[in-house]
Amino acid sequence: DAGVIQSPRHEVTEMGQEVTLRCKPISGHNSLFWYRQTMMRGLELLIYFNNNVPIDDSGMPEDRFSAKMPNASFSTLKIQPSEPRDSAVYFCASSPSTGGSEQYFGPGTRLTVT
Amino acid sequence: GENVEQHPSTLSVQEGDSAVIKCTYSDSASNYFPWYKQELGKRPQLIIDIRSNVGEKKDQRIAVTLNKTAKHFSLHITETQPEDSAVYFCAASSILCYFGTGTSLTVIP
Repeated sequence: DAGVIQSPRHEVTEMGQEVTLRCKPISGHNSLFWYRQTMMRGLELLIYFNNNVPIDDSGMPEDRFSAKMPNASFSTLKIQPSEPRDSAVYFCASSPSTGGSEQYFGPGTRLTVT
Repeated sequence: GENVEQHPSTLSVQEGDSAVIKCTYSDSASNYFPWYKQELGKRPQLIIDIRSNVGEKKDQRIAVTLNKTAKHFSLHITETQPEDSAVYFCAASSILCYFGTGTSLTVIP
C-alpha cells in the first residue's frame, strides 16, 4: 500500500488566491482527518470525515476553509481567499475505524501564502 | 471537549540516559492513548499506544504507562540514541484524537 497520498507537497501562493489541497486515504479506511500544524499552535484538527460524511468541523477556523469528501478515495481542503496566517503544514490522516485506532498521516502539504 | 497537556516542551538528554515525557487529559471517556514521533520535516508516525484497560505496555526501549484514575500517561525511552531525537506527541482519544503540544527531544551524543 502506498499510504496516505497528499498533493501538492509544497504550495506557494499570493494572498487572496484560492488554494486546494488534495488527499487520497489508505484504501479500506473509513475515517479521514485534516490537520494543520504550526509552531505556535501545534497540531490542530480541522475536520473529521467518517464514511465520506463530515462529522466534526468545529476546528475549521472560518468560512474561508471548506472540505469535501466526494468518495472514499478522495478528499479536498480548500482555502478561499487565502491569507498569510494560513501558512502552515496541512496533514491528512486516515484510520481504519472511528476512535481507538492508529491514524496514518500523509506526508503533508507545506503552504506558504505571501 | 478533551484537553491534553504535555510536559516538558523541550528535553535534552545524554546518549544512553532515559527520557520521560508526561501527559494529562481531562475527558474520562478517552480510552485510547497513542504516542507519535515526528522527525524534522516528516509526518507524525505512531510509535506505541495503550488502551484504557492496560496500565503499562513496553516495546523494546520504549514503554508507556497509564493511570486512568489520575488521568496521567507517560512515555519512557531508555538507552536513548541520537536517532531518538524528534518531536513526540501524546494524544487521547475516544472518537476524535486530541494531541498534546509536543516535546522536542534532543539526544546529545
